[in-house]
Amino acid sequence: AQSVTQPDIHITVSEGASLELRCNYSYGATPYLFWYVQSPGQGLQLLLKYFSGDTLVQGIKGFEAEFKRSQSSFNLRKPSVHWSDAAEYFCAVGGNTGGFKTIFGAGTRLFVKA
Amino acid sequence: GAGVSQSPSNKVTEKGKDVELRCDPISGHTALYWYRQSLGQGLEFLIYFQGNSAPDKSGLPSDRFSAERTGGSVSTLTIQRTQQEDSAVYLCASMGFNTDTQYFGPGTRLTVL
Repeated sequence: AQSVTQPDIHITVSEGASLELRCNYSYGATPYLFWYVQSPGQGLQLLLKYFSGDTLVQGIKGFEAEFKRSQSSFNLRKPSVHWSDAAEYFCAVGGNTGGFKTIFGAGTRLFVKA
Repeated sequence: GAGVSQSPSNKVTEKGKDVELRCDPISGHTALYWYRQSLGQGLEFLIYFQGNSAPDKSGLPSDRFSAERTGGSVSTLTIQRTQQEDSAVYLCASMGFNTDTQYFGPGTRLTVL
């Protein structure tokens, strides 16, 4: 069965500190992987995506993620967090089998402290 | 504006009433998705339209939920005989043909009293 697990419901980091949000997936075919961000009162915005090629992908707002097939993981990282990064982050997996249906994780809420 | 729009932005209804939620996708996008986001939860897939193909309804939670897409553009999600557990934010997304990125609307917050 297709699924996405984000083990951390919420994370608190200090401004300027590094960040890693975890994502593990289960998918029967070659996965397409995504990270979205949802700021309070805002819609979902795509941060980055991975389909193939280089397993380290760069996204907007200084975020990056690394695809590790052996660990079925696609963790999101940022070297230095800004207060404006406080939001909810969703990992998602999809693919072209049976149409492009995307399964989302439950989300990780990021709190940034001064 | 070129984004996905949804209406209404907020809907309050009484238990047992029917509601209709509207989604206007980005012009030319062939794929359209509906998701439900309950408080503190992730996005739950509801239904997916792709062009003229039969929709993938596998995520609809009950037969009280239905959706249609007229003319390959605007979509309406209908919930009949609403229940309190239907309270959630309903999100719509669209995607262009042979592309891979979904663009999300701002959502409709549904509250069933």
